[in-house]
Amino acid sequence: ETGVTQSPTHLIKTRGQQVTLRCSSQSGHNTVSWYQQALGQGPQFIFQYYREEENGRGNFPPRFSGLQFPNYSSELNVNALELDDSALYLCASSSDRRRAYEQYFGPGTRLTVT
Amino acid sequence: AQKITQTQPGMFVQEKEAVTLDCTYDTSDQSYGLFWYKQPSSGEMIFLIYQGSYDEQNATEGRYSLNFQKARKSANLVISASQLGDSAMYFCAMREGLAAGGTSYGKLTFGQGTILTVHP
Repeated sequence: ETGVTQSPTHLIKTRGQQVTLRCSSQSGHNTVSWYQQALGQGPQFIFQYYREEENGRGNFPPRFSGLQFPNYSSELNVNALELDDSALYLCASSSDRRRAYEQYFGPGTRLTVT
Repeated sequence: AQKITQTQPGMFVQEKEAVTLDCTYDTSDQSYGLFWYKQPSSGEMIFLIYQGSYDEQNATEGRYSLNFQKARKSANLVISASQLGDSAMYFCAMREGLAAGGTSYGKLTFGQGTILTVHP
């Protein structure tokens, strides 16, 4: 099985810009979740996509949006970047056909907003 | 109220010794799951161990075991025979609503983490 991959690894953006982060799910997984991890904190759930639809969202504003594609890969889009958006963004994949504990994370994208 | 509490910001252990990382949780769900992840400085979250709320036996995975005390709402991670490579941040996390059925709900709620340092 191939693991969860994310791109890019690092990214530097300016306040007010827009960014797109990408995630490829682990083989056989049909659900993708996105998390934001600020420095020194635990990850915070942003949202989840299942069968190309958002079906769960954390306490994040609408400028955080996403997509899931038929091959279960996913994008996280953030508009109007703010300095506080600087964080490690993690995606995790899981499956409703597998065991509940099978949620595996990618290596993350480190976003810096200046 | 915090759903996942890790009260130890940092822990130190001697190589080859055992160490326990504490985690308490708060939920009103009957069906939930508890996870431990390891996060090295590279940033990737590495799954270590899982305990379902209805599992009667404590989970074990190699050198990792989960001391699950349901009545006390605690899910401590025990690492036996610590190795230098175990030095990392460790997160306890919970997934609620597992009995809801239907789609898998990937929301994990994480604690603040514990930094483990293994000394030679």
